[in-house]
Amino acid sequence: AQTVTQSQPEMSVQEAETVTLSCTYDTSESDYYLFWYKQPPSRQMILVIRQEAYKQQNATENRFSVNFQKAAKSFSLKISDSQLGDAAMYFCAYRRIGNQFYFGTGTSLTVIP
Amino acid sequence: ETGVTQSPTHLIKTRGQQVTLRCSSQSGHNTVSWYQQALGQGPQFIFQYYREEENGRGNFPPRFSGLQFPNYSSELNVNALELDDSALYLCASSLRGGATDTQYFGPGTRLTVL
Repeated sequence: AQTVTQSQPEMSVQEAETVTLSCTYDTSESDYYLFWYKQPPSRQMILVIRQEAYKQQNATENRFSVNFQKAAKSFSLKISDSQLGDAAMYFCAYRRIGNQFYFGTGTSLTVIP
Repeated sequence: ETGVTQSPTHLIKTRGQQVTLRCSSQSGHNTVSWYQQALGQGPQFIFQYYREEENGRGNFPPRFSGLQFPNYSSELNVNALELDDSALYLCASSLRGGATDTQYFGPGTRLTVL
């Protein structure tokens, strides 16, 4: 079974600084997707960024970027120029093509003004 | 383009009762997945519906059941409620066969079982 591990239950960052959230996963598949979702206190899960496993280039979405290390099964999220609105629970998720999502336990990010 | 909506927002039930949660998928999406998120945990996959049939199920007992309708909306039914069923229930829709296969989530239904 696929598992997703987020080893940092809580992280904090000063406003305008950079923070990296860690995620590792376990799979025997070669083709899959990886995601980072953000869940603010309002609780709606919002897609932050997506990475296809067959792509070597790391995905980037504005201030959000990933470091995807397929051999190491590592998928970290870097948030640059952190803003107060980035404060939320962040979930790493794995999905085999056409199949269900597996989520990690989340990292609670606090942004300090 | 309308997003994923869920109803009701909150629900309180007592042990042994039955509950139905509803989800309207994002326009253009044909697949709906349901997740249970206990407090402080990541979402756990319950099941997925595609073309009105269950298409994959997580480690949940048969008292968790669902439906998908021709308009791709969906229901989650839970019978014989237990205290441990108290959680946030999330619905997510996606387009099977689409370019991205990304799931988009609704705001969730908070179920409390007393």
